[in-house]
Amino acid sequence: ETGVTQSPTHLIKTRGQQVTLRCSSQSGHNTVSWYQQALGQGPQFIFQYYREEENGRGNFPPRFSGLQFPNYSSELNVNALELDDSALYLCASSPGQGPNTGELFFGEGSRLTVL
Amino acid sequence: QQQVKQSPQSLIVQKGGISIINCAYENTAFDYFPWYQQFPGKGPALLIAIRPDVSEKKEGRFTISFNKSAKQFSLHIMDSQPGDSATYFCAASMRGSSNTGKLIFGQGTTLQVKP
Repeated sequence: ETGVTQSPTHLIKTRGQQVTLRCSSQSGHNTVSWYQQALGQGPQFIFQYYREEENGRGNFPPRFSGLQFPNYSSELNVNALELDDSALYLCASSPGQGPNTGELFFGEGSRLTVL
Repeated sequence: QQQVKQSPQSLIVQKGGISIINCAYENTAFDYFPWYQQFPGKGPALLIAIRPDVSEKKEGRFTISFNKSAKQFSLHIMDSQPGDSATYFCAASMRGSSNTGKLIFGQGTTLQVKP
């Protein structure tokens, strides 16, 4: 059974640029959630995708957007990068629509540094 | 009201001792309370979870105690081992379409177990 995989593992961007992060969900999981974890903080919910549609969103501006593909993999896109976007971006998959319906399985994250 | 407050920020325990981490919440609509363990360079992994209809749940050396009236819950790690050294996050979520996929995490506790 393949776990959640994320790419790239590390990347450096400059302010104003755009970034795309990718996530392959665990086999059999149809739901993907994205979280932002700033250094020394707990993860913060960005949004969730279920059946290729956004299905729940946290307190993040519209320049944070995403996609889910028919194979349940997902992308997180961030436009007009700001210095405060520097963080670990975590993808989590689950067999149901939310943590209440089952465990969230996290990937190892993509470490984004914005200069 | 959406916050989950976690303490202490860091904890040092001798091998064989008991580690205790506490969390408090305000929103009585929360109905699922998981604890996640995160090692450096890894994503969080579910350790144990509880729902508010029980006051305690035990899995091996890990126990969650839940006090609904005080809106507090805690993680106890019995016979703490150096391999337990990690960052621990409490979290909470609630049902409802607007909260789908959304886990609200505490700030984290870095546990060091000394040999």
